[in-house]
Amino acid sequence: GEDVEQSLFLSVREGDSSVINCTYTDSSSTYLYWYKQEPGAGLQLLTYIFSNMDMKQDQRLTVLLNKKDKHLSLRIADTQTGDSAIYFCAESTDSSYKLIFGSGTRLLVRP
Amino acid sequence: EAGVAQSPRYKIIEKRQSVAFWCNPISGHATLYWYQQILGQGPKLLIQFQNNGVVDDSQLPKDRFSAERLKGVDSTLKIQPAKLEDSAVYLCASSQSSGGGNEQFFGPGTRLTVL
Repeated sequence: GEDVEQSLFLSVREGDSSVINCTYTDSSSTYLYWYKQEPGAGLQLLTYIFSNMDMKQDQRLTVLLNKKDKHLSLRIADTQTGDSAIYFCAESTDSSYKLIFGSGTRLLVRP
Repeated sequence: EAGVAQSPRYKIIEKRQSVAFWCNPISGHATLYWYQQILGQGPKLLIQFQNNGVVDDSQLPKDRFSAERLKGVDSTLKIQPAKLEDSAVYLCASSQSSGGGNEQFFGPGTRLTVL
């Protein structure tokens, strides 16, 4: 079956790097996504990675994918207070493009 | 470019009442999704439309939930009768197509409280 798991909470100091981790069970996952949700707002796509890639970098964001261990991580460099939000990992497969979301990791950035 | 619009933003009803939510996707987006997000959980897909046809409604509780997308643009999601466990945020999203890697753009959601 499909399952995506994340740790619930992460607290970092402003200026440090944040690393949010995610594990998934579906070996046929084709795309893996990171979404950000701020209070009272919808989800915003931050980045996604295709399963044949190991890494993707986009400005302050770095996504690492270990397909063997079914482990995905999101690193945010120089974390700012505006990065405080809930971050969701999600996956989809070629056979079903629907998104399967994890339960989210709440990131708190301390000044 | 206008985003995905949803109304109402908040709704409080008593159990066994009915409620309807409205979504206006981004212009030109063929695919529309309704998600249910229970507090503390990630969104769960309820139904996916491609134009005005249903692609996936496998997780829609069809005994009480219904959805339609007339003319392949706006969509409504209805719950009748509501149960306490339906309390959640209902998110609408749209994308240009349904292929993998197509970004889904989310609306702000409708927060439903069932008393």
